[in-house]
Amino acid sequence: AQSVTQLDSHVSVSEGTPVLLRCNYSSSYSPSLFWYVQHPNKGLQLLLKYTSAATLVKGINGFEAEFKKSETSFHLTKPSAHMSDAAEYFCVVSDWGSSGNTRLVFGKGTRLSVIA
Amino acid sequence: GAGVSQTPSNKVTEKGKYVELRCDPISGHTALYWYRQSLGQGPEFLIYFQGTGAADDSGLPNDRFFAVRPEGSVSTLKIQRTERGDSAVYLCASSSGTSGGADTQYFGPGTRLTVL
Repeated sequence: AQSVTQLDSHVSVSEGTPVLLRCNYSSSYSPSLFWYVQHPNKGLQLLLKYTSAATLVKGINGFEAEFKKSETSFHLTKPSAHMSDAAEYFCVVSDWGSSGNTRLVFGKGTRLSVIA
Repeated sequence: GAGVSQTPSNKVTEKGKYVELRCDPISGHTALYWYRQSLGQGPEFLIYFQGTGAADDSGLPNDRFFAVRPEGSVSTLKIQRTERGDSAVYLCASSSGTSGGADTQYFGPGTRLTVL
């Protein structure tokens, strides 16, 4: 089964400084990987996804992630944090279900705090 | 266009009662998923529908949980004899069902279930 591990439960950065949220994955085949963001009392929103095309994936709101097979990592970065980036971030891998379907396997999440 | 909607947004019930949670997916999406998110955790897969049939229900925790999608659109998650441990946010997602593992799942805002 596929799995992801988010290495930090909480990251705190100052506004205007870079953001790095770390994620390692475990997969027996070439995975599809995603980052979702969850703002308080709002639904999960897709930031970006990797599907075996370019290894550097650009997403919304200035976020990007790089797929590194040799390191089994898919870290999320942003050059300059904004107050509105404060939220919970989930690294996600797509897994195959019992009937050939796919389902998402979520990490435990990283809470990003942005300090003014 | 309209996203995934879920009703009610909040549900408080007493232990032992029966509850129904509704999901209205994005129009035209054939794939529908239910996930459960406990406090401080990432969402966990419960069940997947392709059209009207439950193609993968391997994530349902026990036989008190059941879900239907009779016309291939709206889905209802049903929980019998609720227990305090069922308290969580129940998330619904839909996708076009055309891209396999790379399919983007769009999430609703969730139903927060509290069992007293």
